[in-house]
This record gives sequence, structure tokens and C-alpha cells, in this order.
Amino acid sequence: DSGVTQTPKHLITATGQRVTLRCSPRSGDLSVYWYQQSLDQGLQFLIQYYNGEERAKGNILERFSAQQFPDLHSELNLSSLELGDSALYFCASSVGTVRGRAETQYFGPGTRLLVL
Amino acid sequence: DQQVKQNSPSLSVQEGRISILNCDYTNSMFDYFLWYKKYPAEGPTFLISISSIKDKNEDGRFTVFLNKSAKHLSLHIVPSQPGDSAVYFCAAQPRSGNTGKLIFGQGTTLQVKP
Repeated sequence: DSGVTQTPKHLITATGQRVTLRCSPRSGDLSVYWYQQSLDQGLQFLIQYYNGEERAKGNILERFSAQQFPDLHSELNLSSLELGDSALYFCASSVGTVRGRAETQYFGPGTRLLVL
Repeated sequence: DQQVKQNSPSLSVQEGRISILNCDYTNSMFDYFLWYKKYPAEGPTFLISISSIKDKNEDGRFTVFLNKSAKHLSLHIVPSQPGDSAVYFCAAQPRSGNTGKLIFGQGTTLQVKP
């Protein structure tokens, strides 16, 4: 158990809909990362928040948005869903950006999204 | 633009033998390289990392080697155990910017046969 929780575990929805994925980081971690894993692909970095503020952005679509709340949990909002958005969405957390050593990230179990 | 590549989708080895998983990268501006292991229906779990200024890091049965001139790293597992069967992801952490984001390879599925 990594200490990172994600809800829901599975989500089935229709094209054009909007969904919200939730992530609670490990206790004490200030950074939250979101990754997308499509079929047969590696994990693609979407976005990072650090202590409530956006820190880095990857190849995140404009239809997607995220935020980190004062209690440090994060939500990823996916709107106008398309078939190609079907994927595993992982949240990860870390202490924060620490210079001088690798920033180990702890991953949640993921949310499997299926868009029909 | 795939900056981190794992060219072998799968690898099968016998229990007790060495497993060698490979990873290539194209960008020299990576600070750290990490290996993650993933079981089905679970998130990736951290295995081992190496700084870009090192060429080897060892942790128990796991050793990571970094060849900067070839832009290549490898993970050695000795001896391999059936419980090591999983998907292994190589990841790189960029040096620039105040972020710990990771760039992942596509993964290699390791099967260790009893």
C-alpha cells in the first residue's frame, strides 16, 4: 500500500460527458502528479501540483483540468470525453521537489476510465 | 517524441538466472533515472534510482547501470524470482525546471519461470 488513494477505481461513461477523478496523497506529501496510461503505452505525464499551485504541465489536453485543494487532495477533471480518453489515470505524490536526490513518487492504484 | 525508450516489450527468464532490462534515452538533460515495477491492477512501485553523475547503483538483488556516452541504462536482477514477474518501467527526471515529473518508457513485461 503506497498510501496514495484514488477514487473511483473504475468509471464507465459516454462520449461527451464529464468526469472527476480524485486523489489523496500520502500524508505529508505536498506534490501531486497525474499520469495517463493508454493501451500498450507508458505513463504520460499530465500535470503536477505543489502545495496548491500548478508546478509543471505535460501533454494535457485543454479539455482536461486539475486542481489541488488546501487539504492537498487533487482532482482531475475530464470533459467532452472522447473514445480515445479511455485509459488508466494514475495519481502519484511525493514530498516535494528536493534538490540533490531523485524525487521518488508513490503511485495510487489508478482509475480505469472507459468511454463508450 | 519518445525521449525514453524500452525497445523490448517482453522478456522471459528462468528462476535463479539474471534478468537484464534495457532502456535508452535521447535527452542528455536528465538528472536522475528510476525504475518502477508494476503488477496488474496496481500502481507502479519504486525500485531503484541512479543519479546522472553515477554509473552504478546497487540495492540487494537489483543493480542499475548507466552508460552516459551511449545514453543507455539497464536494470539487472540477480537472482530472478517468480515474484519479480511484472511490468518494469524505466523513467527519467529532467534536470531543468523545479519539477519532479517523470518521463516514462513504454515498459517491459518480465516473466520469471519457476
